[in-house]
Amino acid sequence: EADIYQTPRYLVIGTGKKITLECSQTMGHDKMYWYQQDPGMELHLIHYSYGVNSTEKGDLSSESTVSRIRTEHFPLTLESARPSHTSQYLCASSDLAGRTDTQYFGPGTRLTVL
Amino acid sequence: KNEVEQSPQNLTAQEGEFITINCSYSVGISALHWLQQHPGGGIVSLFMLSSGKKKHGRLIATINIQEKHSSLHITASHPRDSAVYICAVWATDKLIFGTGTRLQVFP
Repeated sequence: EADIYQTPRYLVIGTGKKITLECSQTMGHDKMYWYQQDPGMELHLIHYSYGVNSTEKGDLSSESTVSRIRTEHFPLTLESARPSHTSQYLCASSDLAGRTDTQYFGPGTRLTVL
Repeated sequence: KNEVEQSPQNLTAQEGEFITINCSYSVGISALHWLQQHPGGGIVSLFMLSSGKKKHGRLIATINIQEKHSSLHITASHPRDSAVYICAVWATDKLIFGTGTRLQVFP
């Protein structure tokens, strides 16, 4: 079973608030990812990291930012939340062993911005 | 047109039935994942394959690289198999996801 955690699981906030979604993994994986998934839709990569101090934007334009100061921790921050940010956010990690390694997913954070 | 297409989008079955979910892709890939997403949102990786066939319990996944097609089979389906099954392909260092197949298995 994968040891990757996300908090909070559910969050309802008002427009304009700053929020940070937490993601931690205890597997020592170098690669970490953030995906956004709207209901009934496919996952889209919004950020990824190949190691400490490495962060890249994914395919889907996102107003969020990420940081990777420690291997196990990959938080995602929205400086000013808007209703358009309402979605599910999934964190994942994998080994840097190969280009096509298995990703382990966290349980997700379901965000609602009012 | 999505680069990864799944069919059917929705599937209902009676307990015990044999289930097939299909995935076709239009890009060059190095590997393909089958993922399972339960109603709570959590995703579990079922298989990663780059050729041939893999089996795990009642689940079987096949891939035909030449035809750019993969299938996920569930034998003797059970209500606990109810979930969304997602096909994702590794293409140029990123995963591209299908929209998923929603499976409901009734007792």
